[in-house]
Amino acid sequence: AQKITQTQPGMFVQEKEAVTLDCTYDTSDPSYGLFWYKQPSSGEMIFLIYQGSYDQQNATEGRYSLNFQKARKSANLVISASQLGDSAMYFCAMREGYNAGNMLTFGGGTRLMVKP
Amino acid sequence: GAVVSQHPSWVICKSGTSVKIECRSLDFQATTMFWYRQFPKQSLMLMATSNEGSKATYEQGVEKDKFLINHASLTLSTLTVTSAHPEDSSFYICSARDQTTNYGYTFGSGTRLTVV
Repeated sequence: AQKITQTQPGMFVQEKEAVTLDCTYDTSDPSYGLFWYKQPSSGEMIFLIYQGSYDQQNATEGRYSLNFQKARKSANLVISASQLGDSAMYFCAMREGYNAGNMLTFGGGTRLMVKP
Repeated sequence: GAVVSQHPSWVICKSGTSVKIECRSLDFQATTMFWYRQFPKQSLMLMATSNEGSKATYEQGVEKDKFLINHASLTLSTLTVTSAHPEDSSFYICSARDQTTNYGYTFGSGTRLTVV
């Protein structure tokens, strides 16, 4: 079974509008972390936001917020006031456990295209 | 913030030759580094976990004799693609674990390998 599922291969959003990118996860470990990364066409992976499984509040970082619904096992990324520079691939990832050596598992990604 | 330098950014090599890719953590020590491979329009797939001073742990299906990983210091891990073939052409990207935070997974800028 897929551990991280991103069901939207591609999405369009109008500039200045908000957009939600979906991510669901599957784990039996009570301790886990959820990440969102942005990958522009250059290929670099840019860290956006992190949510720990025990965090009570939804994470926010500037225009990015993470809608964490633990019971539904979803961790959707919300980008407010979209900008043209937001056009990129977005990956949701999960780390199971808090061992320092634990890897990240990535979802299939969502390509976001911002329209002027 | 944490910075990871990956070189080269791109490389073209002939079939049968070997290519070495370096991944350096510039301002933190990384006991653990990860090597990923990404095919066009696909997600990141973990190839191996590299631990300083010990043998790398390879994911199922990854040939350890073909993809040699060395993590000789706390700031440097290398991936050598031996006897490269056109099917090895891909985007390779490393990630270094910064253990000072729960979300410390910093990525290099990636290496685009083309084997001709």
